[in-house]
Amino acid sequence: RKEVEQDPGPFNVPEGATVAFNCTYSNSASQSFFWYRQDCRKEPKLLMSVYSSGNEDGRFTAQLNRASQYISLLIRDSKLSDSATYLCAVNLNTGNQFYFGTGTSLTVIP
Amino acid sequence: SAVISQKPSRDICQRGTSLTIQCQVDSQVTMMFWYRQQPGQSLTLIATANQGSEATYESGFVIDKFPISRPNLTFSTLTVSNMSPEDSSIYLCSASDGVNQPQHFGDGTRLSIL
Repeated sequence: RKEVEQDPGPFNVPEGATVAFNCTYSNSASQSFFWYRQDCRKEPKLLMSVYSSGNEDGRFTAQLNRASQYISLLIRDSKLSDSATYLCAVNLNTGNQFYFGTGTSLTVIP
Repeated sequence: SAVISQKPSRDICQRGTSLTIQCQVDSQVTMMFWYRQQPGQSLTLIATANQGSEATYESGFVIDKFPISRPNLTFSTLTVSNMSPEDSSIYLCSASDGVNQPQHFGDGTRLSIL
């Protein structure tokens, strides 16, 4: 079983839609969680950290469910510029090694 | 966040040769890492670059194939040795300020082996 699993999509949504991605992790001892955005042929860029109490940054909301071992990312009022691949990352141990999901592809359609 | 630059940004190499990729961070960082990302796939951690000591390799990666140096807190190199077409990939370095801190990535090195 993979350490981190994501639905690869693709998700094709109209502008203005709300879309949510989930990412499950297998190790209950995982300590920290992040969402990254990766544009085509570019490096991953940190979108947001995921805190236990959930956190919001503008149109983006991240949540952690430790009981069910998943994190989620909600994007409201989707923009064309949100089109990208979204990667979840899980830190499994104290060495800060990250394990990444396979990424979820989002295309926002005019 | 730290600014991370990699050199070269891309290269085309002959099989059997070796290439060293450099990763420079504009500030001192606690941790540096090397990843590989093959087309259409996610990132796979190669190793943690430890300052002043041997790198810690993940399963499936060995020092003879991917020697890593980290002489100080702002710089690391990854060498891809005795390259074969299967090594064609994007290689990314990342840095973080400590445990449970986010990692930030360099802009990657796109490597093609003929």
